[in-house]
Amino acid sequence: EVQLVESGGGLVKPGGSVRLSCAAPGSTYYMNWVRQAPGKGLEWVSSISSGGTYMYYADSVKGRFTISRDTARNSVYLQMSSLRAEDTAVYYCAREQQRVYNWFDSWGEGTLVIVSS
Amino acid sequence: IQLTQSPSFLSASVGDRVTITCRASQGISSYLAWYQQKPGKAPKLLIYAASTLQSGVPSRFSGSGSGTEFTLTISSLQPEDFASYYCQQLSGYPYTFGQGTKLEIK
Repeated sequence: EVQLVESGGGLVKPGGSVRLSCAAPGSTYYMNWVRQAPGKGLEWVSSISSGGTYMYYADSVKGRFTISRDTARNSVYLQMSSLRAEDTAVYYCAREQQRVYNWFDSWGEGTLVIVSS
Repeated sequence: IQLTQSPSFLSASVGDRVTITCRASQGISSYLAWYQQKPGKAPKLLIYAASTLQSGVPSRFSGSGSGTEFTLTISSLQPEDFASYYCQQLSGYPYTFGQGTKLEIK
């Protein structure tokens, strides 16, 4: 396990944008964003491959969110645009182990995004 | 792929044996993980590949299943086990989680 640290959350107006960052040591892993709305369950949001070539999104954010990474800075980002009230959540970054099977072995503490006018 | 956990809520006592079930809407082989989450904290990996215990996780936790039906069992509940539990499928995108099971003290 490694320590992941998210930042960039805060209060954003509907229709606005925000970029989340995750300090993630080690560039050889797929990285993911998972969110949790207040009082709700976990929702996978997006994944990016180790080299940054492949990106995957949940239907609920496709076309509005963009995941990226900077391997030199050991960082992963989530650019969130056209934000809606239903995007209000704690956003976690999570490292994905890939062997024969895969799993999320390390998680950050999360950063809260509130979308409200 | 949809995951359905049952029960959604579970009330139990210290020392009890409890089982949580996770059913997938289609076969996912053993691409399933289990997480524990306590209020205000990040999820913590318990089990991966359906039945492999993550390093450092107490042996009272165990997972089983393959295909579409999976179980997480806690053999003897400890006070620190009262939390929410989620299954996750990683067979293909979009990854999905079960809706969660909240385990409460009776």
